[in-house]
Amino acid sequence: RKEVEQDPGPFNVPEGATVAFNCTYSNSASQSFFWYRQDCRKEPKLLMSVYSSGNEDGRFTAQLNRASQYISLLIRDSKLSDSATYLCVVKDPGGGNKLTFGTGTQLKVEL
Amino acid sequence: NAGVMQNPRHLVRRRGQEARLRCSPMKGHSHVYWYRQLPEEGLKFMVYLQKENIIDESGMPKERFSAEFPKEGPSILRIQQVVRGDSAAYFCASAGQGDSPLHFGNGTRLTVT
Repeated sequence: RKEVEQDPGPFNVPEGATVAFNCTYSNSASQSFFWYRQDCRKEPKLLMSVYSSGNEDGRFTAQLNRASQYISLLIRDSKLSDSATYLCVVKDPGGGNKLTFGTGTQLKVEL
Repeated sequence: NAGVMQNPRHLVRRRGQEARLRCSPMKGHSHVYWYRQLPEEGLKFMVYLQKENIIDESGMPKERFSAEFPKEGPSILRIQQVVRGDSAAYFCASAGQGDSPLHFGNGTRLTVT
């Protein structure tokens, strides 16, 4: 089983749509979780951290379910500029800042 | 305030040559991480270094790959006797103390011909 699993997509959605990405992780000891965004194989950029209580940043909402070891990202009112690959990321519980990346879910927002 | 600087951006090597990838962390950061992204795959952790120390090299291939982060100067990822399978994007990230987030550089795209 992969440490971090994501549906690779692609998700093709019209502008203005709501889209949700899911991710599961295998290490129940993991404590810190993130969503990163990667454009056209450029460097990954932190989109948002994921907190147990769920958190929102504008059009983006992240949720964590520790019991199911499941993380989600919801994007409302999709923009063309949201087209990218979204990476689910889990921090290694062993210390330091070592991150394990999912393979990413590709999103294409169309007119 | 410059971010993480990696060079070169693109590197072409013939099979059997050596590749040296450089990474200068953000100012004030003393922790450096190297990741590799093979075509159509996710980022894979390679090695975590602090100044003059390798902390975790569990993701490094056992042969031909080495990394250092000297007291002065950038971190270097060195690949000896490159093979076609080494072609990938190599990303460096740096972090400060504690739980501070990683900042990634633009990456070095290595092509082995």
